[in-house]
Amino acid sequence: AQKVTQAQTEISVVEKEDVTLDCVYETRDTTYYLFWYKQPPSGELVFLIRRNSFDEQNEISGRYSWNFQKSTSSFNFTITASQVVDSAVYFCALNNFNKFYFGSGTKLNVKP
Amino acid sequence: EAQVTQNPRYLITVTGKKLTVTCSQNMNHEYMSWYRQDPGLGLRQIYYSMNVEVTDKGDVPEGYKVSRKEKRNFPLILESPSPNQTSLYFCASIGTEGAGGYEQYFGPGTRLTVT
Repeated sequence: AQKVTQAQTEISVVEKEDVTLDCVYETRDTTYYLFWYKQPPSGELVFLIRRNSFDEQNEISGRYSWNFQKSTSSFNFTITASQVVDSAVYFCALNNFNKFYFGSGTKLNVKP
Repeated sequence: EAQVTQNPRYLITVTGKKLTVTCSQNMNHEYMSWYRQDPGLGLRQIYYSMNVEVTDKGDVPEGYKVSRKEKRNFPLILESPSPNQTSLYFCASIGTEGAGGYEQYFGPGTRLTVT
């Protein structure tokens, strides 16, 4: 069975703190893709990153970084020096065989 | 501008009254999908379509129908809506990129209330 778990329901930080959002996935397949999406208070879904199962390199994009570890089936997302504009719900998702499975989301509150 | 459009954006209806939520994309994508978003559950896939006339069930297809007669359109049909279908619905389309995998473009969402 495919499953994505985001155990952190809500996280609150003060601006400029670093924060890591956890994502653990389950799949028996060897070929799959992992994603992170951002849903700001306005409601739209914004694509952040896609990673395929054969590429375990970590990625950094500005203040965002992602750590993919197949050994622990995790795909964690770190925001460095958080800003108020980072306040949103973040979803991790798994894709394989044409289906998508989303986690329940982590709501991040960044306070000034 | 590349986009996925959904209509209506907001809908309040009564139990049992058939409704259709339209979805259209202008990117010539083959793959399209419908999701519902509920508090604490994230997004759950309802149906997806790999191409014209090819549709398949996602995780929560009960009570929904879809059709794919044209590549750009993928309407979601609720033949007899019930209150447990009150939710936020997203349509999405997906284009493959050179290295494989998918980038999913989402519509703005349709908030449906069934009383």
